[in-house]
Amino acid sequence: GENVEQHPSTLSVQEGDSAVIKCTYSDSASNYFPWYKQELGKRPQLIIDIRSNVGEKKDQRIAVTLNKTAKHFSLHITETQPEDSAVYFCAASIHGNKLVFGAGTILRVKS
Amino acid sequence: DAGVIQSPRHEVTEMGQEVTLRCKPISGHDYLFWYRQTMMRGLELLIYFNNNVPIDDSGMPEDRFSAKMPNASFSTLKIQPSEPRDSAVYFCASSLTNEKLFFGSGTQLSVL
Repeated sequence: GENVEQHPSTLSVQEGDSAVIKCTYSDSASNYFPWYKQELGKRPQLIIDIRSNVGEKKDQRIAVTLNKTAKHFSLHITETQPEDSAVYFCAASIHGNKLVFGAGTILRVKS
Repeated sequence: DAGVIQSPRHEVTEMGQEVTLRCKPISGHDYLFWYRQTMMRGLELLIYFNNNVPIDDSGMPEDRFSAKMPNASFSTLKIQPSEPRDSAVYFCASSLTNEKLFFGSGTQLSVL
């Protein structure tokens, strides 16, 4: 079936450094790509999303880039802070009507 | 708005028992989703509704699972009979369209 692959599974960075998480998808019809942040014991929360007609979107310290030809998209977090530590999930719309999530990336920001 | 409300927050039951999870979506949201989260399988979509009608239940693992949405403000996910492998966090989410999902706090289910 359609799937979304996410890498790396864990990422450890020093406070102030940048973090990049990458996802690839298989459905060429996918047109919506959100990113969710889940803190320990909490619910996933949408942090940024992008549509297929846009190549890049930025919101303060976070940005998402999309390469439709290669079918991959990435989350970039700059100037990381300890409160950025969480699990991050990418997702892609499948068959235009439902989201399939990646396996998640555990981000640890060391102070 | 209080957001998506799920109950109970925690459920511990014995194998073979019936389990019912409940969800109240955000008022005005036409879409409701049930996801299951485990370490091994991540976030899996079980079923979703649009305007109270089930649209895609291909993620429901087997006949032991059933979901209903009798009205726009209430949905249930039922497992009967429950098995230890059903232990997981079950999330309900709602959205205005089928994109920006708002998740509830989840139900931590433990089947002994």
